[in-house]
Amino acid sequence: AQSVTQLDSHVSVSEGTPVLLRCNYSSSYSPSLFWYVQHPNKGLQLLLKYTSAATLVKGINGFEAEFKKSETSFHLTKPSAHMSDAAEYFCVVEGDMRFGAGTRLTVKP
Amino acid sequence: GAVVSQHPSWVICKSGTSVKIECRSLDFQATTMFWYRQFPKQSLMLMATSNEGSKATYEQGVEKDKFLINHASLTLSTLTVTSAHPEDSSFYICSARRAGGRVGSQPQHFGDGTRLSIL
Repeated sequence: AQSVTQLDSHVSVSEGTPVLLRCNYSSSYSPSLFWYVQHPNKGLQLLLKYTSAATLVKGINGFEAEFKKSETSFHLTKPSAHMSDAAEYFCVVEGDMRFGAGTRLTVKP
Repeated sequence: GAVVSQHPSWVICKSGTSVKIECRSLDFQATTMFWYRQFPKQSLMLMATSNEGSKATYEQGVEKDKFLINHASLTLSTLTVTSAHPEDSSFYICSARRAGGRVGSQPQHFGDGTRLSIL
């Protein structure tokens, strides 16, 4: 069975600095992987997805993630944080509709 | 594309009434829809998986008779909270997955959620 682990429950950065949200997956093959963002009192929005094409995936709002099979990782990054990026972020592996705890991103002015 | 509409966005009702929440995929066909419940500052908890034309699959601990799910068409699933009580107050979110591709390889597309408050 596939699963993911988000290594940080809370990440705090200053506006304009890089963002790194970590996600490790467990799977017997190279699965599809997704990052979602949830703003307060809202549903989830798909940021990006990896589906065995290019290992570096670009998403919306300047986010990108790199699939690294050797490290079983799919970390989410953004070069420069914006205040509007403050939200909850979820990493999800294909076939697993259960969500982990997520990572709360705080952006300080 | 891939828009999911969830209605209503907010509902307040008296204890003992039943509440129906609709989840529609507006521009794609969804053979599978999912219903989640989310408590404040917590992650999403999967309640059930809804497959078009068949009975929903409920997660352990979720009462089937309490949370009725119907998925009568490829674009509509409904969740009915029967005889709702204050402890049922929560944020309910649906999602839909487009048909096709390797099972589970399609992303979920989420509605904006329904805030349910039972007085």
